Amino acid sequence: AQKVTQAQTEISVVEKEDVTLDCVYETRDTTYYLFWYKQPPSGELVFLIRRNSFDEQNEISGRYSWNFQKSTSSFNFTITASQVVDSAVYFCALSEAGNTDKLIFGTGTRLQVFP
Amino acid sequence: ETGVTQTPRHLVMGMTNKKSLKCEQHLGHNAMYWYKQSAKKPLELMFVYSLEERVENNSVPSRFSPECPNSSHLFLHLHTLQPEDSALYLCASSQTWGSEKLFFGSGTQLSVL
Repeated sequence: AQKVTQAQTEISVVEKEDVTLDCVYETRDTTYYLFWYKQPPSGELVFLIRRNSFDEQNEISGRYSWNFQKSTSSFNFTITASQVVDSAVYFCALSEAGNTDKLIFGTGTRLQVFP
Repeated sequence: ETGVTQTPRHLVMGMTNKKSLKCEQHLGHNAMYWYKQSAKKPLELMFVYSLEERVENNSVPSRFSPECPNSSHLFLHLHTLQPEDSALYLCASSQTWGSEKLFFGSGTQLSVL
């Protein structure tokens, strides 16, 4: 069965600190996609990234970076030099072969960045 | 104007009421989704519509009844709900069914008394 675990329920940091959000997944599929979504206080989930299971290259986008390691079934998300606007709930998700009707979400990690 | 708009933002209803949630997308997408977000639980997919046809019903109780009159609008009709149905209901859309990228609305926070 597919499952996504985000063990960190809440994280609090002070502005400019780096923070890593953990995501561990379980799947028997050899082809799958991993996602991160951000849910700010306004409520809507915002797509951040999608990686496929064949591409283990780490990705960097500005202050955001993602570390995909198949050996540990992890897809961790790091925010460098955090800002107050990064405060949100972050969801990791998994789907098989890009079918979003099978999107499995984790329970989310609430990040609070204090000034 | 956001791509996916949900109304109302907040709704309080009794267990005997009938109400509807509305979702409208302005992105020209062909697939729309209803998700339920409960506290400390993963988002749960409820329904998927592709080209106005329901393609997924994730074992949702019949007290939730979706309607998709056209590719831009999606409704969730509610009747005789239970307190445990209190949650944030999120609508999403995607270019096509099975597309990787979902666009979400801000949700309707529902409280059932």
